Amino acid sequence: EPEVTQTPSHQVTQMGQEVILRCVPISNHLYFYWYRQILGQKVEFLVSFYNNEISEKSEIFDDQFSVERPDGSNFTLKIRSTKLEDSAMYFCASTRRKEQFFGPGTRLTVL
Amino acid sequence: AQTVTQSQPEMSVQEAETVTLSCTYDTSESDYYLFWYKQPPSRQMILVIRQEAYKQQNATENRFSVNFQKAAKSFSLKISDSQLGDAAMYFCAYREAQGGSEKLVFGKGTKLTVNP
Repeated sequence: EPEVTQTPSHQVTQMGQEVILRCVPISNHLYFYWYRQILGQKVEFLVSFYNNEISEKSEIFDDQFSVERPDGSNFTLKIRSTKLEDSAMYFCASTRRKEQFFGPGTRLTVL
Repeated sequence: AQTVTQSQPEMSVQEAETVTLSCTYDTSESDYYLFWYKQPPSRQMILVIRQEAYKQQNATENRFSVNFQKAAKSFSLKISDSQLGDAAMYFCAYREAQGGSEKLVFGKGTKLTVNP
């Protein structure tokens, strides 16, 4: 069964460094998302992406964040200058119609 | 803005028994989707069940069923014959159905413990 994949599973970085989180959505899906979950808290929406552009973003998704679909398969989230509070699980999701299917997540630790 | 409330931070159930997890939501929309996601310790988000607001019939997936009360804006999850593998965080989520936002709005989750 097709699934969303994410790499790396765990990323450790120093504050102020740039990180790129990678996702490969399910191949025939059209909508892509990034969500964040700070440890012990609920899952929060960051951004949605459709037809090669951002369709919606949350207040969390400020100028430090960007998304890209550089080719036909990858969907990336870049954080330009990481802060301690960016430490969280980052989930990619994709959908064709109704259900959003989530990847296994990338645990980002900012030191 | 839509909100999702899960009033039970933690629940426990004996193996083979039945447990119900509560969820309420607030929206002015008439057409939307509701979901329950399971998050085991691996932290993977796994879709458990989906309900379309225009459908009166409650969704069922094997041992999992929902009680959808549209007027009360309530969407509870019933797990029958609980198994040890059901132990996880359970998140209720809402999504608009027509145009507008595609994003999921999550509740804070309920941690379910299954006792042998």
